[in-house]
Amino acid sequence: AQSVTQPDIHITVSEGASLELRCNYSYGATPYLFWYVQSPGQGLQLLLKYFSGDTLVQGIKGFEAEFKRSQSSFNLRKPSVHWSDAAEYFCAVGAQGSNYKLTFGKGTLLTVNP
Amino acid sequence: EAQVTQNPRYLITVTGKKLTVTCSQNMNHEYMSWYRQDPGLGLRQIYYSMNVEVTDKGDVPEGYKVSRKEKRNFPLILESPSPNQTSLYFCASSLTISYNEQFFGPGTRLTVL
Repeated sequence: AQSVTQPDIHITVSEGASLELRCNYSYGATPYLFWYVQSPGQGLQLLLKYFSGDTLVQGIKGFEAEFKRSQSSFNLRKPSVHWSDAAEYFCAVGAQGSNYKLTFGKGTLLTVNP
Repeated sequence: EAQVTQNPRYLITVTGKKLTVTCSQNMNHEYMSWYRQDPGLGLRQIYYSMNVEVTDKGDVPEGYKVSRKEKRNFPLILESPSPNQTSLYFCASSLTISYNEQFFGPGTRLTVL
């Protein structure tokens, strides 16, 4: 069974600083990987996804993530954080097979200081 | 506008009183799913449906039922709600099961007293 670990429950950064949110997954085959963002009181919005090919993927809102198979990681990055990026971020892994379900990490809450 | 809608958005009920949370999508998506979100636990899948009349259990199906009689609708039924079902519920859909983007509804906050 697949699993996802987001080691950081809460991260605080200053506006304009760079950001990296960590995600480690466990899955026996090539995973499908996703990052979602949840703003307060909102549903989840897909930031980016990795299925295959180039290991550096670009997403919306200036985010990118890099798939590193050797480290079982899919960390999310942004070079300069904006106050509007304050939200909760979820990494998810998808499994092939009869279910194709998504397994989510427990989330990382991002606070942005002015 | 392409969207997933859920109703109601907020619901307070009492133990044992049957309720239904509706979910509807207007994108002709085949795959639909229900999740619950609890603090510190992230999102956990309750049930999913690959197409009309095809449903199956996710990770936490106990106490829930679903049906998929039409492609656009995927209601979540709590026959006898209990306080441990107090949670934030999300419906999601995607074009197929092969990991096109999952679109999420706005969520339903349920409180069972």
